Amino acid sequence: GESVGLHLPTLSVQEGDNSIINCAYSNSASDYFIWYKQESGKGPQFIIDIRSNMDKRQGQRVTVLLNKTVKHLSLQIAATQPGDSAVYFCAEIKSGGATNKLIFGTGTLLAVQP
Amino acid sequence: ETGVTQSPTHLIKTRGQQVTLRCSSQSGHNTVSWYQQALGQGPQFIFQYYREEENGRGNFPPRFSGLQFPNYSSELNVNALELDDSALYLCASTPGSGADTQYFGPGTRLTVL
Repeated sequence: GESVGLHLPTLSVQEGDNSIINCAYSNSASDYFIWYKQESGKGPQFIIDIRSNMDKRQGQRVTVLLNKTVKHLSLQIAATQPGDSAVYFCAEIKSGGATNKLIFGTGTLLAVQP
Repeated sequence: ETGVTQSPTHLIKTRGQQVTLRCSSQSGHNTVSWYQQALGQGPQFIFQYYREEENGRGNFPPRFSGLQFPNYSSELNVNALELDDSALYLCASTPGSGADTQYFGPGTRLTVL
């Protein structure tokens, strides 16, 4: 079935370092991908998205890379800060269907050490 | 803040009871989706409402039902609660029914005893 998975369940980085969170997806028909950040006790917060006609998109301190050949997605966070500590989810959507449903992976916990 | 609000924030019920959770979508958003998030897992799609009609459903039994109102707010109803229904229930709104970014509310934490 469809699934989105993450390679690393936990990532520990030093404050100021760059972080890279990886995600593999299995549905090659998916054409829209979103990264969410979820802090403890809160709902997922939109970080950045990318459509399948792109391979890179940059935001403020974040970059998403999409490699459709190997069905891989990554989130890069520059100069990681303690406030970046959270669980990060990638999610995919296959557009064109009747329902716009997100398929989430299990998440990666990013722990930023001061 | 996304502008999506949910109530209540926490709820405790016992097995067999029924529960209603509420969601107000972001202004201008006519599509609302509901997700269940078990502890330590990613959210799982329950169903979606677009212009007051169910617009798709995930792998959840019929005792999970919903409504969307003319102002696009929504309810999730769960009957005959089971222990495994304990989870964070998330509502997300979208400007339309296409592949657009979904903005989540803070969720309702449901505990079934």
